[in-house]
Amino acid sequence: EPEVTQTPSHQVTQMGQEVILRCVPISNHLYFYWYRQILGQKVEFLVSFYNNEISEKSEIFDDQFSVERPDGSNFTLKIRSTKLEDSAMYFCASSRGYYNEQFFGPGTRLTVL
Amino acid sequence: KNEVEQSPQNLTAQEGEFITINCSYSVGISALHWLQQHPGGGIVSLFMLSSGKKKHGRLIATINIQEKHSSLHITASHPRDSAVYICAVINMDSNYQLIWGAGTKLIIKP
Repeated sequence: EPEVTQTPSHQVTQMGQEVILRCVPISNHLYFYWYRQILGQKVEFLVSFYNNEISEKSEIFDDQFSVERPDGSNFTLKIRSTKLEDSAMYFCASSRGYYNEQFFGPGTRLTVL
Repeated sequence: KNEVEQSPQNLTAQEGEFITINCSYSVGISALHWLQQHPGGGIVSLFMLSSGKKKHGRLIATINIQEKHSSLHITASHPRDSAVYICAVINMDSNYQLIWGAGTKLIIKP
């Protein structure tokens, strides 16, 4: 069964460093999403992406964040200059359409020291 | 006020019990997800529904659009059902963003 994959599973970085979180969505899906879950808190929407551009973003998704689909399979989230408060689990998801069920990757745990 | 409210926040039950988790929402939705999150952190979609009822194995989800309420039921609960169950709605009022509830932590004791 096709699934969303994410790498790495755990990333540790120093404050101020850039990180890139990678996702491979399900191959025939057209919509891609990033979500964040700070430890002990609920999942929060970051951004949705369709047709090679951002379709919606939350107020969390400020200028230090960017997303890209560099090739036909990967979907990446870049954090330019990490802060301590960026420590969280980051989930990627994909769906066939905007109204369709979203399928989630296993998450990347980001720890900023 | 949270746009998606779940109850209870925590639920502990004995193996075999019938479990009900509730979700109420205040925004216009096109559909509602029930998701499961295990201690390792991964999220699995259980159901997406926009009306009526869906059943998958021992899991049943219902939704009442008029009352803006959904329930997730687990029949014959088992310790492996222990997880956090999350309700999330596709919000028509905010460009179809997925808005998440805080989750219900379920523990099933043997």
